[in-house]
Amino acid sequence: DIQMTQSPSSLSASVGDSVTITCQASQDISNDLNWYQQKPGKAPRLLIYDVSNLEEGVPSRFRGSRSGTDFTFTITSLQPEDIAIYYCQHYDNLPSLTFGPGTKVDLK
Amino acid sequence: QVQVRESGPGLVKPSETLSLTCAVSGYSISSGYYWGWIRQSPGKGLEWIGYIYLSGSTYYNPSLNSRVAMSLDKTKKQFSLRLTSVTAADTAVYYCVRDRQLGVIDLWGQGTLVTVSS
Repeated sequence: DIQMTQSPSSLSASVGDSVTITCQASQDISNDLNWYQQKPGKAPRLLIYDVSNLEEGVPSRFRGSRSGTDFTFTITSLQPEDIAIYYCQHYDNLPSLTFGPGTKVDLK
Repeated sequence: QVQVRESGPGLVKPSETLSLTCAVSGYSISSGYYWGWIRQSPGKGLEWIGYIYLSGSTYYNPSLNSRVAMSLDKTKKQFSLRLTSVTAADTAVYYCVRDRQLGVIDLWGQGTLVTVSS
């Protein structure tokens, strides 16, 4: 089974800061990697799919990239409304769909 | 506007069966996509439960496979989840979802909390 690790587990940053979260796969997963945002008491929301494609309606300050089995999610200028937990998610051949453990982003 | 919405009992007794239904509005299930369920235990991460396709084909998380069943009712525009022999470990918020690209979950319900307790 492919394992997804995510780091850091939490971070604090100031408004306007650039924030980076990393998701690492235990083996090659091609570009099957997505990012979701979950605000307290809400369902997750798709932000980025297939590594770097921005979902419709998502602000352009959210970005995704890949280097080998390392995937990076960046908020280029943190806004107060970005306070949330962010999850990476990988899909393999069914039945296999896994989420990373999540990264909690707080305001400093 | 496409929406999905979960419904079902919020409390289930241990060893009994959890049953949830997801109503789809603004989109025809018959048009395609995968429909499924994801759960989140209190304070925990997200766990994929499984999918059902419009053909009726089902795909379940191997860790739950023996206890899970999903069904689809195109005429009623809804799909359902049954999870048998529940324990406290099945207490979670259950989300119904739409997957548009096998792995890209673009639509989530608001979630419904199911507590397993006697």
